[in-house]
Amino acid sequence: GQQVMQIPQYQHVQEGEDFTTYCNSSTTLSNIQWYKQRPGGHPVFLIQLVKSGEVKKQKRLTFQFGEAKKNSSLHITATQTTDVGTYFCAVNFGNEKLTFGTGTRLTIIP
Amino acid sequence: GAGVSQTPSNKVTEKGKYVELRCDPISGHTALYWYRQSLGQGPEFLIYFQGTGAADDSGLPNDRFFAVRPEGSVSTLKIQRTERGDSAVYLCASSLLTSWTGELFFGEGSRLTVL
Repeated sequence: GQQVMQIPQYQHVQEGEDFTTYCNSSTTLSNIQWYKQRPGGHPVFLIQLVKSGEVKKQKRLTFQFGEAKKNSSLHITATQTTDVGTYFCAVNFGNEKLTFGTGTRLTIIP
Repeated sequence: GAGVSQTPSNKVTEKGKYVELRCDPISGHTALYWYRQSLGQGPEFLIYFQGTGAADDSGLPNDRFFAVRPEGSVSTLKIQRTERGDSAVYLCASSLLTSWTGELFFGEGSRLTVL
């Protein structure tokens, strides 16, 4: 079936360093959502991107949708211990089914 | 309650038994989704309801899995003849309209362990 890949699978950063995760699809996407899942928790919605080249910011988080609408990125500036968790992108491949990516697990070294 | 409620939070059963997992979505949310998440993996789609009908059940792994939402609110995921491979966290999510238009609100999940 259709898949969406995320890289890297794991990322360990020193507190205060930046972090970026990338989401890639082989097909054009209509929109993309990002979720965060804390250890032992459930996925929590962060944002939805719809337009080609769209950039949205939430405090230290910057989300971008590629011009071709086949990829997206989430960048965190100056990471904090509260940023620990797994970040998932999620997409619709032309139907209502929301398909989640493989996730990037972020750990912070204090 | 204000959020999506799932019961039980933990279920331990023996291979071959029948289990039911319940999801109570946010009031007024017409869309309801079931996902399964294994350790270290992303949520895997199982089934999507719009109102009372299963609009997409393409993610159900086999005919041992079945889900209902008879009144368009509470949903029950039913697993017959459980197998050890069914062990996972089963997540329920609801959305006001559809996943196209907005976020999914997830419950805390039901952790199923099949011995």
